[in-house]
Order: sequence, then structure tokens, then C-alpha cells
Amino acid sequence: GQQLNQSPQSMFIQEGEDVSMNCTSSSIFNTWLWYKQDPGEGPVLLIALYKAGELTSNGRLTAQFGITRKDSFLNISASIPSDVGIYFCAGLEETSGSRLTFGEGTQLTVNP
Amino acid sequence: GAGVSQTPSNKVTEKGKYVELRCDPISGHTALYWYRQSLGQGPEFLIYFQGTGAADDSGLPNDRFFAVRPEGSVSTLKIQRTERGDSAVYLCASSPNAKNIQYFGAGTRLSVL
Repeated sequence: GQQLNQSPQSMFIQEGEDVSMNCTSSSIFNTWLWYKQDPGEGPVLLIALYKAGELTSNGRLTAQFGITRKDSFLNISASIPSDVGIYFCAGLEETSGSRLTFGEGTQLTVNP
Repeated sequence: GAGVSQTPSNKVTEKGKYVELRCDPISGHTALYWYRQSLGQGPEFLIYFQGTGAADDSGLPNDRFFAVRPEGSVSTLKIQRTERGDSAVYLCASSPNAKNIQYFGAGTRLSVL
């Protein structure tokens, strides 16, 4: 099935550094979501974006809905060890009804 | 807990066997979704229920896969004649209605030997 193009695939950073990851698609999306998944758990929602150009923050996390509606990015500022995990972008396509399309994930490792 | 509950958390079966995976959605959520997540990949959509009916089953890979939600709450994903390629984590999600945020369970890890 179709998946979003998410990059980078993995990141190794030092505690305190900022992180940026992004997703792109060839299709137009109405909603962009960013999830975090820890081992043995399901994805947990971090941020939801509903309008092109929207910039939304949740604590140290900031995400934007691209103005073309075909991309989104997530920034994490001042990373801490508990930020470790896999981050997924997901979206609702204009034509896909209610089913989410996911990226392949960004594995984040934070070294103390 | 008030979250999405999936049972069992792990299921090991032999090739050719039949399995059932259960999902208890968040109380009051009318929409329920099944996704499959292979190792190193993002979840992929299988099927979505609005109430008791399957509103979109376009992600089911073949006719060995079937899901039901007879009373509009609990759902069961059924896989017949399992194959080794069916091994994956099967995730369930629910939302208050079709256009709302989806909340995920912890998944069932299926291993077909």
C-alpha cells in the first residue's frame, strides 16, 4: 500500500539538541498527524494539523502543515532521553475517506 | 483503563491455522479501524467500521482476512489458513466519528511459524 515519504529514517543526537523530520507525498492531504511509538506499544498522537500553513506546538514539539498540502514537518527542541522512539507522520488524503496513510517512521536515539 | 484494548497481546500459531484477534474500542467511539504493521514499517490500513458496518475494507489483502463488529463496539479480525507472511503487529484504533483523531491500542503481535 501507499506510504508517505518520511525522512530521515534514523537520527542519533546528543541530549539538548534540536531535531527535525519531515514527510512528503505526491497526493494532497486534508489532515496531517504526528505519532510516537515506543517498543511494544501502539502509536500515540503528538500533534494534529488540519489547515494548510498551520503551525502548531505541543510543549517542545512544533509541527507544520505545508502550504501545498503535500508535506509536513516535526521539530523537537532541546531533546531529552525520553524522546527516544519511532516517530510517524500520518495523513488523511483528500480522496481516501477515513483511512490513515503512514510514513515509514524516523527512529530517534538520544545520547545522554 | 479507558483506552483501546487488544487481546491477545501475542499470538503464535502454525501455518494453515485460523486465528481471531479482538479489539475493544474506547467507549462511545463509533469508528473502528484495523491496521497491520510489519517490522520496520509504518502501519498499513486494513478495514474501517462505522458502527456495525464495514465502511471501507479496501486494505484487506485477500479473502483469508475478514473482520466483524456485530454490535458496533467490539471487533474481531479473523484470519483463515494463516501464512508466514501474515506475521506482523495488528493494530486497532478507534475515534469518536469518522473524521476525528484515531487512538491506537498496543496491538497484537502475530507470529506464524
